[in-house]
Amino acid sequence: QLQLQESGPGLVKPSETLSLTCTVSGGSISSSVYYWGWIRQPPGKGLEWIGSIYYSGTTYYNPSLKSRVTISVDTSKNQFSLKLSPVTAADTSVYYCARHPSYCSSINCYLRWFDPWGQGTLVTVSS
Amino acid sequence: DIVMTQSPDSLAVSLGERATINCKSSQSVLYSSSNKNYLAWYQQKPGQPPKLLIYWASTRESGVPDRFSGSGSGTDFTLTISSLQAEDVAVYYCQQYYNTPITFGQGTRLEIK
Repeated sequence: QLQLQESGPGLVKPSETLSLTCTVSGGSISSSVYYWGWIRQPPGKGLEWIGSIYYSGTTYYNPSLKSRVTISVDTSKNQFSLKLSPVTAADTSVYYCARHPSYCSSINCYLRWFDPWGQGTLVTVSS
Repeated sequence: DIVMTQSPDSLAVSLGERATINCKSSQSVLYSSSNKNYLAWYQQKPGQPPKLLIYWASTRESGVPDRFSGSGSGTDFTLTISSLQAEDVAVYYCQQYYNTPITFGQGTRLEIK
């Protein structure tokens, strides 16, 4: 059974870099039919897609965050990572990683729903 | 971006009664070539990640009770719980995957009356 687990610092100072890693177990991150995504949820609020990555390193980002986000993958460790910089208090959220099925044509990839999700990790931005 | 708007924001339903949650997209999420609606529904209980309930607007995920059903096409969608159980208290979200950025509705909080 596939499981995802987020890890990283729970407290980040304003203007610094938020760094999180998602470790995938029970399956390979190098599957050709899945992308791997990051989603965040401010306390008490809704869900925002941050971006997604394929095992080859192809990425899709939310334009609203694209200038501050980098998502990378390490297939040897079965992990993918998120960096967000610089951060402000508005970036305080629970950060989730998740898998999503995808279909890739010769031109483009089409991302689907998210399943399963990690348990999430709360990152607070505060001095 | 496709804006997803859910209604109502919150809903209280008696046990055993039907609960209906609506989701409207700012543009159609129906792909004409496949005749599929690129819409999913999730359930989120307190302190837990969202759980996938339905994809392609009406396909129930494996293991999801059959009291949950999805319907609709184009821009208007509905999640129906046919007979509300206590364990269904949660926030429900719709999500479009027609294009990027992937977007979610604001959520509908479902409670017991």
